Amino acid sequence: KQEVTQIPAALSVPEGENLVLNCSFTDSAIYNLQWFRQDPGKGLTSLLLIQSSQREQTSGRLNASLDKSSGRSTLYIAASQPGDSATYLCAVSQGGSEKLVFGKGTKLTVNP
Amino acid sequence: EAGVAQSPRYKIIEKRQSVAFWCNPISGHATLYWYQQILGQGPKLLIQFQNNGVVDDSQLPKDRFSAERLKGVDSTLKIQPAKLEDSAVYLCASTLLGRGNSPLHFGNGTRLTVT
Repeated sequence: KQEVTQIPAALSVPEGENLVLNCSFTDSAIYNLQWFRQDPGKGLTSLLLIQSSQREQTSGRLNASLDKSSGRSTLYIAASQPGDSATYLCAVSQGGSEKLVFGKGTKLTVNP
Repeated sequence: EAGVAQSPRYKIIEKRQSVAFWCNPISGHATLYWYQQILGQGPKLLIQFQNNGVVDDSQLPKDRFSAERLKGVDSTLKIQPAKLEDSAVYLCASTLLGRGNSPLHFGNGTRLTVT
């Protein structure tokens, strides 16, 4: 059974700092990995999707890497801003469908 | 492009009552999902539809939960009777083809409180 773990559970940083969020998964036979952002009282917004054959994806100040063999992914946020404050969730899919298994998320607070 | 629409936003019911949630996915999206998110947890898949057919309902508590997507567009999720542990946010998501290579689009969810 696939299990996804995110560390740390919460993170508080000053504005402008570069930071890394970690995600690990127990079964390396994944189809893809996605990073989502969730604001309070809102649904999830897809940030980055990495196919199993890819090593990383970039979007603006965000960079996600994938090491499938070790069961790890990182989300790098450059020059953090207060607007980046949210919960970030990692999810993996298997078997060619979007049936996602989620981690519990990392709650990020960026202080001005 | 209009996003995934869900209603109601909030619902408070007593245990043993019934409740229904509605979802309208992004136009043209063939695949629709219902997820349950308990406070402090990641979302858990309840059911996946491809058009109007069920692809995966292995984690749906079928003794009390039901879902349908009759015309392959909008969907309803029902709980009858509700239990205290059903208190959660119910999220609907859709994607274009359901082949694992396109991102999911989520609605804002329905927050259910069972007292």
